[in-house]
Amino acid sequence: AAGVIQSPRHLIKEKRETATLKCYPIPRHDTVYWYQQGPGQDPQFLISFYEKMQSDKGSIPDRFSAQQFSDYHSELNMSSLELGDSALYFCASRGLLGPRKAFFGQGTRLTVV
Amino acid sequence: QQPVQSPQAVILREGEDAVINCSSSKALYSVHWYRQKHGEAPVFLMILLKGGEQKGHEKISASFNEKKQQSSLYLTASQLSYSGTYFCGSTGGTSYGKLTFGQGTILTVHP
Repeated sequence: AAGVIQSPRHLIKEKRETATLKCYPIPRHDTVYWYQQGPGQDPQFLISFYEKMQSDKGSIPDRFSAQQFSDYHSELNMSSLELGDSALYFCASRGLLGPRKAFFGQGTRLTVV
Repeated sequence: QQPVQSPQAVILREGEDAVINCSSSKALYSVHWYRQKHGEAPVFLMILLKGGEQKGHEKISASFNEKKQQSSLYLTASQLSYSGTYFCGSTGGTSYGKLTFGQGTILTVHP
């Protein structure tokens, strides 16, 4: 079965650079969530999209933006990167029908140096 | 509102049982349970919906008390592979809200 695909898996950037993370949800899933997870922490909700429209916003810095495209893939854009942005970034997609389970991608490990 | 989990950590020997609790100060429509191994993605275990409960798989089950706004995850006859951090998640009072997670419970199973 198809899973949530994230790219790249690893990314190393310098301070003040820009990064773009991509997420391809499971086909026919209508909701995408983005999370940031620091070492030893729970996944912190950043932003979500429902049917290509932003549905909720969490603790996402103004330097970050995200969008969902017509093919349902989503991108998280991060500018003016700071050392504190180093973390695992996950996206998850949620099914349209039934109990609407949410499944996570493998994540992108971002290291800012 | 972030769900609250307890305990923060559990240490078991193989074959022992454990219970992880998740509670919310707000109404819950559903509770989602995940297990995460270090450096890996959270893996879906099960979802419990208002008005019902659903077993996940193997020797892991859960309950959902809507009135108390609580859910409990039961791990019986634990195996080494059960080690990891367990998170409960909630979408609040609807099925379409943002999915937020508790702070996690670290489960360690020793031989």
